[in-house]
Amino acid sequence: DIVMTQTPLSLSVTPGQPASISCKSSQSLLHSDGKTYLYWYLQKPGQPPQLLIYEVSNRFSGVPDRFSGSGSGTDFTLKISRVEAEDVGVYYCMQSIQLPWTFGQGTKVEIK
Amino acid sequence: QVQLQESGPGLVKPSQTLSLTCTVSGGSISSGDYYWSWIRQPPGKGLEWIGYIYYSGSTYYNPSLKSRVTISVDTSKNQFSLKLSSVTAADTAVYYCARDLGYGDYDYWGQGTLVTVSS
Repeated sequence: DIVMTQTPLSLSVTPGQPASISCKSSQSLLHSDGKTYLYWYLQKPGQPPQLLIYEVSNRFSGVPDRFSGSGSGTDFTLKISRVEAEDVGVYYCMQSIQLPWTFGQGTKVEIK
Repeated sequence: QVQLQESGPGLVKPSQTLSLTCTVSGGSISSGDYYWSWIRQPPGKGLEWIGYIYYSGSTYYNPSLKSRVTISVDTSKNQFSLKLSSVTAADTAVYYCARDLGYGDYDYWGQGTLVTVSS
């Protein structure tokens, strides 16, 4: 299985300040079709996860543009340009280049 | 608006079989554009992918659970189901059903159902 490693595991951010989460995979997520199958999800308290970013850098429908994803190969980053109170929760990266799909451990983001 | 809803017993005894159903509304499970998945989350822990099924019945299971998992689909009821046999306390988790656009991009999720394994 591909191992996904996130850092940090927790983050406390002042509203309006930026935040960044790193995700590293044990194998390259670049497919022969040219796409890189790395996703970001946010799980707000008491809710199921929701898709934020697909294929490294594409925001899903309705996701605010303060969220951005970048990276390639095995190293990826999720950035929040200005954290808002509604952004609290646990962020997960996930790979889907190789079954079984696997998730990172999660990064808990809270507001200072 | 597509909705998914899990249903099934919230308490299962050790060594027995966990059975859950996901009912899909607002869209057809037979549309052919999606994979229908189960994902679980032990209390206070991260997400574990269990497996998926296509409307045709083809499946893929996480090898870590493969010997105990069966996912099936009933297109007439617009439902798909999960069976996990020989459960132990380690199988205690919130179980989510979700719609996969094809490559792990889950756009719709159920609210999740907590299943506790205990005697």
